Amino acid sequence: ILNVEQSPQSLHVQEGDSTNFTCSFPSSNFYALHWYRWETAKSPEALFVMTLNGDEKKKGRISATLNTKEGYSYLYIKGSQPEDSATYLCAFSGGYQKVTFGIGTKLQVIP
Amino acid sequence: NAGVTQTPKFRVLKTGQSMTLLCAQDMNHEYMYWYRQDPGMGLRLIHYSVGEGTTAKGEVPDGYNVSRLKKQNFLLGLESAAPSQTSVYFCASSRPPGSYNEQFFGPGTRLTVL
Repeated sequence: ILNVEQSPQSLHVQEGDSTNFTCSFPSSNFYALHWYRWETAKSPEALFVMTLNGDEKKKGRISATLNTKEGYSYLYIKGSQPEDSATYLCAFSGGYQKVTFGIGTKLQVIP
Repeated sequence: NAGVTQTPKFRVLKTGQSMTLLCAQDMNHEYMYWYRQDPGMGLRLIHYSVGEGTTAKGEVPDGYNVSRLKKQNFLLGLESAAPSQTSVYFCASSRPPGSYNEQFFGPGTRLTVL
């Protein structure tokens, strides 16, 4: 079983604060790293797919970086808003048959 | 397009009863997956399928069976439900190698086993 770890497990920030969290994954047999956003009572939706060492992706106020050599990815949220409250999952794929999900980082943005 | 749909949305079973969860996708995806989500455990893969007529075990397959008779459908069966199978079940599909196995999820089925 592959080890995909996310930290912190939960996070409370004030509206307007910027924040970041970490996903660590095996540094061998890398195929792709995905970030998903998972709102309460909904299903996970893809934010980013990252495939190359040094990749940086951005969508609005959310961005992500990837280091495949050391096995970590960071997700950044600039100027957090209450609607950013969700669980952010990372998923490591060592091939294209299946992915291994982390437990997620639960973010709550306090107005 | 409906994407990925799951039936039913909620179900309560008694220990020992059986049931089948249905997942359907209209995106012509080859790969389909069943996950369970439990507090503090994240999403864990139960079974998956890489094409019509194929199935394979995931991380937590015991107590479950699956079938993929048609490309668009993936069924998850519980032959004799146990309280430990109380969980939220998510189906997902993907079309690797395109999009690097990005998973498209259904809305989930909340199952309670008494």
